[in-house]
Amino acid sequence: SAVISQKPSRDICQRGTSLTIQCQVDSQVTMMFWYRQQPGQSLTLIATANQGSEATYESGFVIDKFPISRPNLTFSTLTVSNMSPEDSSIYLCSVVQPSYEQYFGPGTRLTVT
Amino acid sequence: SQQGEEDPQALSIQEGENATMNCSYKTSINNLQWYRQNSGRGLVHLILIRSNEREKHSGRLRVTLDTSKKSSSLLITASRAADTASYFCASSRSNDYKLSFGAGTTVTVRA
Repeated sequence: SAVISQKPSRDICQRGTSLTIQCQVDSQVTMMFWYRQQPGQSLTLIATANQGSEATYESGFVIDKFPISRPNLTFSTLTVSNMSPEDSSIYLCSVVQPSYEQYFGPGTRLTVT
Repeated sequence: SQQGEEDPQALSIQEGENATMNCSYKTSINNLQWYRQNSGRGLVHLILIRSNEREKHSGRLRVTLDTSKKSSSLLITASRAADTASYFCASSRSNDYKLSFGAGTTVTVRA
């Protein structure tokens, strides 16, 4: 299975600021996603990170709030912009293997004060 | 958005006992995957079952899929303290690979 790393692993940020989360995979993958897990909740898909084109966002998520870059097949970033306490969550990237199995990074725990 | 439900929401069992949790989903699926999450950390992939499969095993894990009832179950046999975690099912509706997660079941294994 792919080895996925995320940076930072956790951060505490002030409201109104932005944080960029990095996701690095040890092999080239076509499909990469970003999910959010709010405290005590399950995971919700934010967007599909498309290589070389704009990300595809799910209902309720917009590019201005969660801009995503995918410059190549092993790397992606998610920015959480103009943060508020409601953005406090774990953010996870995932990749899909040829077997359809989807693997997740270790997550970035964000606290907004 | 979450596509399905999981039950029970929480489960407490004695070490050595079996743990069973169920997952339901709402639309036709391509596959369903089960994950484990320890204390808010990353998700560990446990098993994938395809829509044309009815049962799958991996070590102490047994997963079933009933597409007519749109439901799946995860059985953990001979549980250990290390199995204490939250378990999530996630279904993929089509070849877009997007996952819709259930609400999760929190399992506590008592020594």
